[in-house]
Amino acid sequence: QKEVEQNSGPLSVPEGAIASLNCTYSDRGSQSFFWYRQYSGKSPELIMFIYSNGDKEDGRFTAQLNKASQYVSLLIRDSQPSDSATYLCAVGLSGGSYIPTFGRGTSLIVHP
Amino acid sequence: SAVISQKPSRDICQRGTSLTIQCQVDSQVTMMFWYRQQPGQSLTLIATANQGSEATYESGFVIDKFPISRPNLTFSTLTVSNMSPEDSSIYLCSPFDGREAFFGQGTRLTVV
Repeated sequence: QKEVEQNSGPLSVPEGAIASLNCTYSDRGSQSFFWYRQYSGKSPELIMFIYSNGDKEDGRFTAQLNKASQYVSLLIRDSQPSDSATYLCAVGLSGGSYIPTFGRGTSLIVHP
Repeated sequence: SAVISQKPSRDICQRGTSLTIQCQVDSQVTMMFWYRQQPGQSLTLIATANQGSEATYESGFVIDKFPISRPNLTFSTLTVSNMSPEDSSIYLCSPFDGREAFFGQGTRLTVV
């Protein structure tokens, strides 16, 4: 059974700190990895995607992928209260299909 | 990213009735995913809608309960049939453009 695991949190960090969100997956053949942000009462918003091992940076966000260890993480630098949301990890299944499997999400709270 | 219009945004329905949710995209997309998200939970894939063929349903979801139409590459509907209070949830369409999946605004359904 294909699974995507995330710590539900909440993860609480002070404003200006680095928030580190982690995700592990069971399907070793997974090809694509996505991070979505979901504010309460809103639909998920794609913020990062990564396909290759290593780091990918976009502004304050860095996605890190380690296929050997089957984990993907999201770092948020200089965290702001507006970053407070639930972050969903999604993993594209093997075979080149993106049909995603979502984790339960990690709730992030950035306090002033 | 695609511009997505999902309607209705919310509805309160009587048990035993049906509701059709519409999803319109401003560009042609390969596939349309339909998700359900219950309070505090992650996204559960209901089915994948392809143009010109029947939708592919995930385990636990059947066509009689959740019929889907996909008449063209920019539009899809999901019907929630013979509703019961257990169907109360947020329903999300998610167009897939071949690389990334985006989300509509969601339909918050309450069945009374």
